[in-house]
Amino acid sequence: TQLLEQSPQFLSIQEGENLTVYCNSSSVFSSLQWYRQEPGEGPVLLVTVVTGGEVKKLKRLTFQFGDARKDSSLHITAAQPGDTGLYLCAGAGSGGSNYKLTFGKGTLLTVNP
Amino acid sequence: DTAVSQTPKYLVTQMGNDKSIKCEQNLGHDTMYWYKQDSKKFLKIMFSYNNKELIINETVPNRFSPKSPDKAHLNLHINSLELGDSAVYFCASSQVLASEKLFFGSGTQLSVL
Repeated sequence: TQLLEQSPQFLSIQEGENLTVYCNSSSVFSSLQWYRQEPGEGPVLLVTVVTGGEVKKLKRLTFQFGDARKDSSLHITAAQPGDTGLYLCAGAGSGGSNYKLTFGKGTLLTVNP
Repeated sequence: DTAVSQTPKYLVTQMGNDKSIKCEQNLGHDTMYWYKQDSKKFLKIMFSYNNKELIINETVPNRFSPKSPDKAHLNLHINSLELGDSAVYFCASSQVLASEKLFFGSGTQLSVL
């Protein structure tokens, strides 16, 4: 079973601060995704990273895939209240487990005005 | 138009009852899923269907029975509801079977009393 550990589990910061969320595994993933989920809604895909060492930017969000494709990080610069939500990483395995995503338990981010 | 829609949004019922949750996607996707999110926000796959064919059936009690009348619909029927079934159930779809990009519905919050 492939497991994804996310840290921290909870994060409460002030508007304007920077933060980093981590997603780690002992397994290698063919790709890794980050989703954001707001209360009462389903997760929405933010980004997919595929290549080891890959860095993708989405406005103030920077996503990195580890060289060994076992871990990933999400860095938010100058956080805003609109960034509040549950951030989930999800890994797609190689071979037969490509058919399903393994989700981490999420990081609940609160950005206070 | 909502891409993945599921009904009802909220479902409150007594232990032992039978209930169904419906899901429809208008994206023309081949693959649909049911995920369960527990009180700790952990998202776990239950089933996936590809072109009406069952592909993934995780360790789910056989009280849960998915049905896919066509590739745009995937319904979930639950027999003899138990307290532990209380959770948020998400329907999702993806363009093809091994696609990592999932589109989620807004969830059905099931409360078993």
